[in-house]
Amino acid sequence: EAEVAQSPRYKITEKSQAVAFWCDPISGHATLYWYRQILGQGPELLVQFQDESVVDDSQLPKDRFSAERLKGVDSTLKIQPAELGDSAMYLCASSPRSGGRYGYTFGSGTRLTVV
Amino acid sequence: QQQVKQSPQSLIVQKGGISIINCAYENTAFDYFPWYQQFPGKGPALLIAIRPDVSEKKEGRFTISFNKSAKQFSLHIMDSQPGDSATYFCAASGGNTPLVFGKGTRLSVIA
Repeated sequence: EAEVAQSPRYKITEKSQAVAFWCDPISGHATLYWYRQILGQGPELLVQFQDESVVDDSQLPKDRFSAERLKGVDSTLKIQPAELGDSAMYLCASSPRSGGRYGYTFGSGTRLTVV
Repeated sequence: QQQVKQSPQSLIVQKGGISIINCAYENTAFDYFPWYQQFPGKGPALLIAIRPDVSEKKEGRFTISFNKSAKQFSLHIMDSQPGDSATYFCAASGGNTPLVFGKGTRLSVIA
């Protein structure tokens, strides 16, 4: 069964440092999402890509967060500088088309701890 | 503003019992309502989904009940098993918009 790959699985970083997460979606999936899941909460959308274009980044804290999907395949989410409140699970999901109805496949996430 | 409100936050059910989790929404543009299951250390996985043109959908031991007029939907897990112990999220979307998720319900099924 095809999977969404994410790395690293775990990351501990000091406050004010830079950190990056990587996601490789299912082959052929045009839509890629980054969600943030704070412990004990539901996932919250950070950014949505359609191929290499950003469709929705309205909830992305752009002063410190950036995301790219240069060739429309894999994607990187960066935080600089990291803050204590950024500690969370960062989930990547992909879908054949834009829209929840087409079914998301989530990766196992990157657990970020900022100390 | 939370678009999908989920309850209860946690639930303990005896093995063989029925687990019921509820969700409510406000946005009438929503037209797709899935439930996701998440085990520790894993990403959420689609469990079952419903569209507003039907009132109920059943897949094995899992059933979604949908009340369009009340803007509510619920997940029923029949004959709950210890392997069902996980966190469950309701979600919703409309058209081509991304999913918005509830805060989750942590289910523990005890023998």
